[in-house]
Amino acid sequence: QSVLTQPPSVSAAPGQTVTISCSGSSSNIGNNYVSWYQQLPGTAPKLLIYDNDKRSSGIPDRFSGSKSGTSATLGITGLQTGDEADYYCGTWDSSLSAGVFGGGTKVTVL
Amino acid sequence: EVQLVESGGGLVQPGGSLRLSCVVSGFTFSNYEMNWVRQAPGKGLEWVSYMSSGGSTIYYADSVKGRFTISRDNAKNSLYLQMHSLRVEDTAVYYCARGAFRLDAFDIWGQGTMVTVSS
Repeated sequence: QSVLTQPPSVSAAPGQTVTISCSGSSSNIGNNYVSWYQQLPGTAPKLLIYDNDKRSSGIPDRFSGSKSGTSATLGITGLQTGDEADYYCGTWDSSLSAGVFGGGTKVTVL
Repeated sequence: EVQLVESGGGLVQPGGSLRLSCVVSGFTFSNYEMNWVRQAPGKGLEWVSYMSSGGSTIYYADSVKGRFTISRDNAKNSLYLQMHSLRVEDTAVYYCARGAFRLDAFDIWGQGTMVTVSS
């Protein structure tokens, strides 16, 4: 299993809000920046959020990131069908001296 | 246009070797840290290796340490991953990605190259 823990799936109706949690420890999230990636089916991952809460270029403000202690959260407001994808959190683990990703969360728009 | 293009994937038998390449364009390659990230079929992302812009700092995931070697040729705008002693569990799409977790994250990704390890 992954060093970072994410829920396998979340779902909501169009226009609603979803949040995706990413739980880690002091050696990773607690002391390093968190980033979030969106992977649409059959495509390469795309950076959404970096340095915990900064939106990457061209990413709408419907996407937001936050971090508190050893957990991080990705929020998506005004959910659209085009947001159906897998979402991954990632960070550096200082104890492992390695990069780590969460297991991924599949977002379904009902 | 900023672009990363991987190549070198294919079918290889267990115990075999393969060398992946990632050719970049649209930015000054020598200024950027680079990574390899892989994704097994139907699975999540797994970070594989990191190399600093000048090549002096390298990290590997435990799952590939001692078997994989990352390298770069800044004159050729290219990143490489030499893979030896390949195992069935190394089967994955391999992506190169620009950046570093500690700063600005992985902002540009290639399209990936598929590596299949099977007898």
